Amino acid sequence: DIQMTQSPSSLSASVGDRVTITCRTSQSIATYLNWYQQRPGKAPKLLIYTASSLQSGVPSRFSGSGSGTDFTLTISSLQPEDFATYYCQQSHTFPRTFGQGTKVEIK
Amino acid sequence: EVQLVESGGGLVQPGGSLRLSCAASGFIFSNYEMNWVRQAPGKGLEWVSYISSSGITIYYADSVKGRFTVSRDNARNSLYLQMNSLRVEDTAVYYCARDGRRFDPWGQGTLVTVSS
Repeated sequence: DIQMTQSPSSLSASVGDRVTITCRTSQSIATYLNWYQQRPGKAPKLLIYTASSLQSGVPSRFSGSGSGTDFTLTISSLQPEDFATYYCQQSHTFPRTFGQGTKVEIK
Repeated sequence: EVQLVESGGGLVQPGGSLRLSCAASGFIFSNYEMNWVRQAPGKGLEWVSYISSSGITIYYADSVKGRFTVSRDNARNSLYLQMNSLRVEDTAVYYCARDGRRFDPWGQGTLVTVSS
């Protein structure tokens, strides 16, 4: 199985801050990497697919990059509604696997 | 509007069974692969099962293999998860999600609680 390692597991940031979350995979997955946002009590929501493609309707302050085994999700200017948990997920191989999540909290 | 709505969750004793349903609308269901993903209370996301658009290709997580069965009825635009021999550790919110090399959209989830 492909192991997913997200870092950090949590972070505190202020509105307007630039935030970067990283995801490392145990083997190369090309660009088969997706990012999701989950607010408390809600279903996850797709933000970024195939490493860098912005899902329709998602604000442009979200961006993704990377290929192979190292990926990043960047929020260029954190907004109040962005405080949530973020997950990476690989779609290269079954079983599909998720990172453990990064909780973004208000400083 | 593309929508997925899960149902069938509830409280069940260890060793019991439950059948979850996911009703799809707003898209041609028979054209899409589907998945089940779960989330234990306070924990992260865990992929459970995949089924191809025709229902021919199926995959399971090792944690549920031999106990859970995924199926679909394309005529009814519905996805199912039959869960047998349930364990306390199967307690979770279960989501269905449309595939396409990415999970989108997701349903709102249905809570399964396994407890005596």
